[in-house]
Amino acid sequence: QQQVKQSPQSLIVQKGGISIINCAYENTAFDYFPWYQQFPGKGPALLIAIRPDVSEKKEGRFTISFNKSAKQFSLHIMDSQPGDSATYFCAASEGAQKLVFGQGTRLTINP
Amino acid sequence: GAVVSQHPSRVICKSGTSVKIECRSLDFQATTMFWYRQFPKKSLMLMATSNEGSKATYEQGVEKDKFLINHASLTLSTLTVTSAHPEDSSFYICSAAGGSANEKLFFGSGTQLSVL
Repeated sequence: QQQVKQSPQSLIVQKGGISIINCAYENTAFDYFPWYQQFPGKGPALLIAIRPDVSEKKEGRFTISFNKSAKQFSLHIMDSQPGDSATYFCAASEGAQKLVFGQGTRLTINP
Repeated sequence: GAVVSQHPSRVICKSGTSVKIECRSLDFQATTMFWYRQFPKKSLMLMATSNEGSKATYEQGVEKDKFLINHASLTLSTLTVTSAHPEDSSFYICSAAGGSANEKLFFGSGTQLSVL
Protein backbone atom coordinates (compact mmCIF):
# COMPACT_ATOMS: atom_id res chain seq x y z
CA GLN A 1 0.00 0.00 0.00
CA GLN A 2 3.01 2.22 0.38
CA GLN A 3 4.23 1.67 -3.15
CA VAL A 4 4.39 4.18 -5.94
CA LYS A 5 4.73 2.57 -9.35
CA GLN A 6 6.42 4.57 -12.09
CA SER A 7 6.62 3.96 -15.83
CA PRO A 8 8.32 3.81 -18.19
CA GLN A 9 11.71 2.83 -16.82
CA SER A 10 13.42 4.63 -19.69
CA LEU A 11 12.21 7.03 -22.34
CA ILE A 12 13.74 8.53 -25.47
CA VAL A 13 12.15 11.63 -26.98
CA GLN A 14 13.16 13.84 -29.87
CA LYS A 15 14.01 17.46 -29.18
CA GLY A 16 10.87 19.55 -29.18
CA GLY A 17 8.64 16.60 -28.38
CA ILE A 18 6.52 15.89 -25.32
CA SER A 19 7.88 13.62 -22.60
CA ILE A 20 5.27 11.81 -20.51
CA ILE A 21 6.00 9.86 -17.35
CA ASN A 22 3.30 8.11 -15.36
CA CYS A 23 2.88 7.12 -11.73
CA ALA A 24 0.28 5.21 -9.77
CA TYR A 25 -0.19 4.99 -6.03
CA GLU A 26 -2.26 2.89 -3.66
CA ASN A 27 -2.41 4.74 -0.36
CA THR A 28 -5.43 7.04 -0.42
CA ALA A 29 -3.98 8.99 2.52
CA PHE A 30 -1.27 10.43 0.28
CA ASP A 31 -1.90 14.12 -0.29
CA TYR A 32 1.37 15.44 -1.68
CA PHE A 33 2.72 14.40 -5.09
CA PRO A 34 6.04 15.91 -6.17
CA TRP A 35 8.25 15.25 -9.14
CA TYR A 36 12.02 15.40 -8.86
CA GLN A 37 14.77 15.67 -11.46
CA GLN A 38 18.11 14.09 -10.71
CA PHE A 39 21.39 14.38 -12.60
CA PRO A 40 24.20 11.84 -12.03
CA GLY A 41 26.00 12.38 -8.74
CA LYS A 42 23.54 15.02 -7.56
CA GLY A 43 20.63 15.09 -5.19
CA PRO A 44 17.05 15.27 -6.52
CA ALA A 45 15.78 18.73 -7.37
CA LEU A 46 12.10 19.54 -6.86
CA LEU A 47 10.46 20.29 -10.21
CA ILE A 48 6.81 20.63 -9.45
CA ALA A 49 4.31 19.26 -6.95
CA ILE A 50 0.55 18.93 -6.72
CA ARG A 51 -2.07 18.40 -4.04
CA PRO A 52 -5.16 16.24 -4.73
CA ASP A 53 -7.56 19.19 -4.71
CA VAL A 54 -6.56 20.14 -8.26
CA SER A 55 -6.40 18.04 -11.42
CA GLU A 56 -3.60 19.88 -13.16
CA LYS A 57 -0.73 22.20 -12.36
CA LYS A 58 1.57 23.88 -14.83
CA GLU A 59 4.91 25.55 -14.27
CA GLY A 60 6.70 26.59 -17.41
CA ARG A 61 7.21 23.55 -19.64
CA PHE A 62 6.29 21.13 -16.83
CA THR A 63 2.73 20.01 -16.16
CA ILE A 64 1.36 17.55 -13.62
CA SER A 65 -1.93 15.87 -14.40
CA PHE A 66 -3.65 14.26 -11.44
CA ASN A 67 -6.49 11.72 -11.47
CA LYS A 68 -7.67 11.14 -7.92
CA SER A 69 -10.23 8.46 -8.73
CA ALA A 70 -7.69 6.42 -10.68
CA LYS A 71 -4.94 7.17 -8.16
CA GLN A 72 -2.62 8.19 -10.97
CA PHE A 73 -0.57 11.22 -11.79
CA SER A 74 1.74 12.09 -14.62
CA LEU A 75 4.45 14.54 -15.62
CA HIS A 76 4.40 16.16 -19.04
CA ILE A 77 7.48 17.98 -20.30
CA MET A 78 6.60 20.15 -23.27
CA ASP A 79 9.14 21.17 -25.93
CA SER A 80 11.66 18.72 -24.46
CA GLN A 81 15.29 19.83 -24.67
CA PRO A 82 18.60 17.92 -24.46
CA GLY A 83 19.20 19.62 -21.10
CA ASP A 84 16.12 17.82 -19.77
CA SER A 85 17.95 14.50 -20.10
CA ALA A 86 18.03 13.19 -16.53
CA THR A 87 16.35 10.71 -14.23
CA TYR A 88 12.90 11.71 -13.04
CA PHE A 89 11.26 10.43 -9.88
CA CYS A 90 7.68 10.76 -8.81
CA ALA A 91 6.91 10.54 -5.13
CA ALA A 92 4.01 10.67 -2.72
CA SER A 93 3.45 11.29 0.95
CA GLU A 94 1.06 12.38 3.64
CA GLY A 95 2.11 15.99 3.91
CA ALA A 96 5.52 17.02 2.57
CA GLN A 97 7.32 14.65 4.85
CA LYS A 98 8.06 10.97 4.55
CA LEU A 99 8.21 10.53 0.78
CA VAL A 100 7.74 7.23 -1.03
CA PHE A 101 9.53 7.32 -4.37
CA GLY A 102 8.76 5.71 -7.67
CA GLN A 103 11.38 3.60 -9.39
CA GLY A 104 12.61 6.41 -11.62
CA THR A 105 12.59 7.11 -15.37
CA ARG A 106 15.75 7.75 -17.33
CA LEU A 107 14.82 10.35 -19.91
CA THR A 108 16.98 10.97 -22.95
CA ILE A 109 16.24 13.83 -25.32
CA ASN A 110 17.83 13.36 -28.70
CA PRO A 111 19.01 16.55 -30.45
CA GLY B 1 13.65 27.79 -3.10
CA ALA B 2 14.98 26.56 0.21
CA VAL B 3 18.58 25.35 0.29
CA VAL B 4 19.79 22.17 1.93
CA SER B 5 23.54 21.80 2.11
CA GLN B 6 25.19 18.41 2.49
CA HIS B 7 28.85 17.78 3.25
CA PRO B 8 31.06 16.12 2.18
CA SER B 9 30.02 15.44 -1.40
CA ARG B 10 32.36 12.48 -1.66
CA VAL B 11 34.29 10.43 0.86
CA ILE B 12 36.55 7.42 0.53
CA CYS B 13 37.45 5.53 3.67
CA LYS B 14 38.98 2.29 4.81
CA SER B 15 36.86 -0.56 6.07
CA GLY B 16 36.25 -0.30 9.81
CA THR B 17 36.38 3.47 10.05
CA SER B 18 33.44 5.77 10.82
CA VAL B 19 32.24 8.51 8.53
CA LYS B 20 30.11 11.53 9.43
CA ILE B 21 27.86 13.27 6.92
CA GLU B 22 26.35 16.67 7.68
CA CYS B 23 23.06 18.06 6.44
CA ARG B 24 22.22 21.74 6.97
CA SER B 25 19.16 23.79 6.16
CA LEU B 26 20.73 27.10 5.16
CA ASP B 27 17.84 29.54 5.09
CA PHE B 28 15.12 27.88 7.12
CA GLN B 29 14.63 25.86 10.26
CA ALA B 30 13.88 22.18 9.91
CA THR B 31 12.48 20.31 12.89
CA THR B 32 12.47 17.17 10.78
CA MET B 33 15.03 15.94 8.29
CA PHE B 34 15.14 12.70 6.38
CA TRP B 35 18.01 10.47 5.33
CA TYR B 36 17.85 8.42 2.15
CA ARG B 37 20.13 5.90 0.53
CA GLN B 38 20.40 5.38 -3.20
CA PHE B 39 22.16 2.59 -5.06
CA PRO B 40 23.36 3.13 -8.66
CA LYS B 41 20.47 3.50 -11.08
CA LYS B 42 17.98 2.80 -8.32
CA SER B 43 15.39 4.79 -6.47
CA LEU B 44 15.77 6.52 -3.13
CA MET B 45 15.05 4.45 -0.04
CA LEU B 46 14.18 6.18 3.20
CA MET B 47 16.53 5.17 6.00
CA ALA B 48 15.38 7.28 8.91
CA THR B 49 13.55 10.36 10.06
CA SER B 50 15.62 12.76 12.11
CA ASN B 51 13.77 14.81 14.72
CA GLU B 52 15.34 17.82 16.40
CA GLY B 53 15.93 17.15 20.07
CA SER B 54 14.75 13.55 20.04
CA LYS B 55 15.74 10.13 18.81
CA ALA B 56 15.59 9.32 15.14
CA THR B 57 12.99 6.96 13.76
CA TYR B 58 14.48 4.21 11.61
CA GLU B 59 12.80 2.34 8.78
CA GLN B 60 12.47 -1.39 8.98
CA GLY B 61 15.71 -3.16 8.18
CA VAL B 62 17.97 -0.18 8.90
CA GLU B 63 20.47 -0.80 11.69
CA LYS B 64 20.30 2.11 14.12
CA ASP B 65 23.65 1.22 15.65
CA LYS B 66 25.27 1.23 12.23
CA PHE B 67 23.72 4.49 11.07
CA LEU B 68 23.77 6.98 13.94
CA ILE B 69 21.67 10.08 13.47
CA ASN B 70 21.92 13.25 15.52
CA HIS B 71 19.71 16.29 15.07
CA ALA B 72 21.13 18.67 17.63
CA SER B 73 19.75 21.92 16.21
CA LEU B 74 17.00 23.17 13.93
CA THR B 75 19.44 23.53 11.05
CA LEU B 76 21.76 20.54 11.38
CA SER B 77 21.39 16.78 11.21
CA THR B 78 24.29 14.36 10.99
CA LEU B 79 24.50 10.76 9.83
CA THR B 80 27.43 8.71 11.05
CA VAL B 81 28.16 5.42 9.36
CA THR B 82 29.96 3.46 12.03
CA SER B 83 32.54 0.77 11.32
CA ALA B 84 31.91 1.14 7.61
CA HIS B 85 32.21 -1.85 5.32
CA PRO B 86 32.23 -2.08 1.52
CA GLU B 87 28.53 -2.96 1.47
CA ASP B 88 27.83 0.44 3.04
CA SER B 89 29.17 2.11 -0.10
CA SER B 90 26.29 4.11 -1.52
CA PHE B 91 24.93 7.56 -2.26
CA TYR B 92 23.43 9.11 0.87
CA ILE B 93 21.02 12.03 0.58
CA CYS B 94 19.32 14.16 3.20
CA SER B 95 16.17 16.23 2.87
CA ALA B 96 14.22 18.75 4.87
CA ALA B 97 10.78 20.29 4.66
CA GLY B 98 10.73 23.95 3.69
CA GLY B 99 8.51 26.51 2.05
CA SER B 100 6.16 28.95 3.70
CA ALA B 101 4.23 26.17 5.42
CA ASN B 102 6.75 23.33 5.26
CA GLU B 103 4.82 22.14 2.26
CA LYS B 104 7.83 21.27 0.10
CA LEU B 105 10.63 18.77 0.58
CA PHE B 106 14.10 19.84 -0.52
CA PHE B 107 17.12 17.62 -0.93
CA GLY B 108 20.80 18.04 -0.34
CA SER B 109 23.31 17.36 -3.09
CA GLY B 110 24.18 13.94 -1.71
CA THR B 111 27.30 12.20 -0.41
CA GLN B 112 28.97 9.41 -2.33
CA LEU B 113 30.53 7.04 0.19
CA SER B 114 33.09 4.53 -1.01
CA VAL B 115 34.44 2.05 1.53
CA LEU B 116 37.59 0.24 0.50
